[in-house]
Amino acid sequence: KAGVTQTPRYLIKTRGQQVTLSCSPISGHRSVSWYQQTPGQGLQFLFEYFSETQRNKGNFPGRFSGRQFSNSRSEMNVSTLELGDSALYLCASSFEAGASYNEQFFGPGTRLTVL
Amino acid sequence: AQSVTQPDIHITVSEGASLELRCNYSYGATPYLFWYVQSPGQGLQLLLKYFSGDTLVQGIKGFEAEFKRSQSSFNLRKPSVHWSDAAEYFCAVGGGTDSWGKLQFGAGTQVVVTP
Repeated sequence: KAGVTQTPRYLIKTRGQQVTLSCSPISGHRSVSWYQQTPGQGLQFLFEYFSETQRNKGNFPGRFSGRQFSNSRSEMNVSTLELGDSALYLCASSFEAGASYNEQFFGPGTRLTVL
Repeated sequence: AQSVTQPDIHITVSEGASLELRCNYSYGATPYLFWYVQSPGQGLQLLLKYFSGDTLVQGIKGFEAEFKRSQSSFNLRKPSVHWSDAAEYFCAVGGGTDSWGKLQFGAGTQVVVTP
């Protein structure tokens, strides 16, 4: 079974631009979560989607948004990029079945650099 | 609110020696606990998980962890470290009322393996 895939793997943008990152979950997984990883703040939860609905959201500004499609693929968007948005963005998927929804499988991440 | 503490930011261990990484959590109910490993520039790989039952859990790559409710700990161990175990290790906790798709991660422990 293929793992979680994320595209692109690397991105370089300039301040003020916007960016869209894509995530394809493991087949059969309907929950997709997004995390931001930086050296200073560590791993921080952005949001989670299930059946095209955002169920949970972390403490990030409205510039960070996401969506999920009917095939469970998800995208996240960051508008008006700031230097501090430079990070590794990780997507994780899980299978919604009792406690197992907590068990998340991560993709390789998208490395975003904002200049 | 949930929290996870990994007291050791950095550990150096000789190849063949044993390894123990500490993790303490703060959580009101029975937590779902995880250990992930991250190699440079990569995503997170799940080593093992604890949901309930036997408090000593076995994972991949020869790792094990023990859940101790009285100490709020979930320490990771490996009897004999290999050079390929050099990586960053993250303890995480899930579950709870606002936990949909959200894992709370510790700050991570960087493991260096010397010959």
